Amino acid sequence: GAVVSQHPSWVICKSGTSVKIECRSLDFQATTMFWYRQFPKQSLMLMATSNEGSKATYEQGVEKDKFLINHASLTLSTLTVTSAHPEDSSFYICSAAGTLANTGELFFGEGSRLTVL
Amino acid sequence: GENVEQHPSTLSVQEGDSAVIKCTYSDSASNYFPWYKQELGKRPQLIIDIRSNVGEKKDQRIAVTLNKTAKHFSLHITETQPEDSAVYFCAASMIQGAQKLVFGQGTRLTINP
Repeated sequence: GAVVSQHPSWVICKSGTSVKIECRSLDFQATTMFWYRQFPKQSLMLMATSNEGSKATYEQGVEKDKFLINHASLTLSTLTVTSAHPEDSSFYICSAAGTLANTGELFFGEGSRLTVL
Repeated sequence: GENVEQHPSTLSVQEGDSAVIKCTYSDSASNYFPWYKQELGKRPQLIIDIRSNVGEKKDQRIAVTLNKTAKHFSLHITETQPEDSAVYFCAASMIQGAQKLVFGQGTRLTINP
């Protein structure tokens, strides 16, 4: 199957700093990438849909100025958590949809665990 | 938008017995229903999926059924093994268009030896 790589896998930062998470599709072109957030013992909640070359579409309740998403190429999307606070500590997972086969299947990155002190 | 409800939240079965997890969805336009297994701290892994033109799909010990009229789908695991212990999520999306997956709340499955 297609491979999606996410980096870093874990990060610890101080409150007030910004953190960037990268999501790359390694062996396919991803026209659309999705960013999810997962709190402990909870489900994956969609934060935003990222389309290459256009502005991301954010889900209701997600602050676009706090969670900056950039999808500059068909293989890379980034999520920047700005002015992070302890309540932003979570597991962030990206997923990508391929361009070749419109099967509905999404391919997930390994996830990035953010801890804000 | 789509809303997916999943039950039960926890399920404990004896090794060798069957486990069934059920989900309902709200948007009749959804036509793709995957099931994921997630181990602690890991990414979700697709274990089986079904599209709305099919009522049932089976892959060895795992099967999924879909009732479009009632808007519900179920995961069946037979002959459960300890390594089946994990959190399972159902999801729904549309193959055409946005393709965004909406997940159920998850089921923590424990297989007792």
